[in-house]
Amino acid sequence: GAGVSQSPRYKVAKRGQDVALRCDPISGHVSLFWYQQALGQGPEFLTYFQNEAQLDKSGLPSDRFFAERPEGSVSTLKIQRTQQEDSAVYLCASSLGSRGRQPQHFGDGTRLSIL
Amino acid sequence: AQSVTQPDIHITVSEGASLELRCNYSYGATPYLFWYVQSPGQGLQLLLKYFSGDTLVQGIKGFEAEFKRSQSSFNLRKPSVHWSDAAEYFCAVGTNNNDMRFGAGTRLTVKP
Repeated sequence: GAGVSQSPRYKVAKRGQDVALRCDPISGHVSLFWYQQALGQGPEFLTYFQNEAQLDKSGLPSDRFFAERPEGSVSTLKIQRTQQEDSAVYLCASSLGSRGRQPQHFGDGTRLSIL
Repeated sequence: AQSVTQPDIHITVSEGASLELRCNYSYGATPYLFWYVQSPGQGLQLLLKYFSGDTLVQGIKGFEAEFKRSQSSFNLRKPSVHWSDAAEYFCAVGTNNNDMRFGAGTRLTVKP
């Protein structure tokens, strides 16, 4: 597709359930990023892939969060044993090159609500 | 590590009035600077970017921004605001160390 695609757009889960969020980046984009955005806040970095390699996962808040990009294209962010504080919008972005220099292209996000 | 400050949480302007959104950064070298806009329920859209060269950069939707090294600023401007410009605006700073940080955002309200 022309842009970054994220699914589902909305996800409601009960506390303790596992969730999986999908990101389909722009074709040919080497870099892929996940961000967490709380209401009224800017995006907070979670993790970064260059092709299939996860180069930085320093922003993942706990070991309940796991991301993968096995073939260097589609990525999945998984949250295990969800907690209420995980409720947020999860944004995915992709770019042509390195994280600092290249502008990032964002998807519309997945709004996650934990009951 | 670099940091980004957007001092104004919320700004209200009248339609047709000029706009300036402030962004200050902290970084030891010349940064890569970006402005993004986010409408409700959507992702961030790139308005403009600065890498080097001319310090006044033009972007989409009639926006421009000026890099001022002496003030560590990259303020976003528009001469005449339209109602459709109401949104959240984010400044971001990237570095050669492969890092990028976003500000907390400024929410723009446009009065008719």
